[in-house]
Amino acid sequence: SQQGEEDPQALSIQEGENATMNCSYKTSINNLQWYRQNSGRGLVHLILIRSNEREKHSGRLRVTLDTSKKSSSLLITASRAADTASYFCATAHERGGGGNKLTFGTGTQLKVEL
Amino acid sequence: DTGVSQDPRHKITKRGQNVTFRCDPISEHNRLYWYRQTLGQGPEFLTYFQNEAQLEKSRLLSDRFSAERPKGSFSTLEIQRTEQGDSAMYLCASTVTGRTDTQYFGPGTRLTVL
Repeated sequence: SQQGEEDPQALSIQEGENATMNCSYKTSINNLQWYRQNSGRGLVHLILIRSNEREKHSGRLRVTLDTSKKSSSLLITASRAADTASYFCATAHERGGGGNKLTFGTGTQLKVEL
Repeated sequence: DTGVSQDPRHKITKRGQNVTFRCDPISEHNRLYWYRQTLGQGPEFLTYFQNEAQLEKSRLLSDRFSAERPKGSFSTLEIQRTEQGDSAMYLCASTVTGRTDTQYFGPGTRLTVL
């Protein structure tokens, strides 16, 4: 079952604009990861934020985490056509003897137009 | 670091046939995960291994599915008596405990059951 949802489901912007995607989840986590997936391809890891962190940056990416609201956001600044893809948040849960299996949201389809 | 590889990339089979997929994780990654992704959805966890031990299986993994990782290196996922509902992308990911929680995904095997 899906852990949560990304919002919006689809986003269309012009090149150079910023794109913000939100993710909500339901249960406590160890960390939250964002992935990108181009159509029909595998997942590319973008950034990981741990439950005790509030904000992380990586290049044009900025991720925030609010554990009290069980939500995260991914900001892509100065978007490019090559950023067109589906973006997923995934939460990691450690149970008992281990795991850290990922539970994915439903994804946001980002389209960046020239 | 050659990344996670999966074979085959595409598989078309007839209903009732058996299929087997292979995943080669990143060298020295001791954890290996299998996920399944259907069209328009995020990946869903199927099972994971720590070295050669299969430590958790999702309820999605019916008795027609079996996974192995005999020497703690590559893994295989077999589906017996395939059904049309098995059509999906099967993704493999690996990570190394104690160093990073990031899961690195392979390109996936797309299964089509006719």
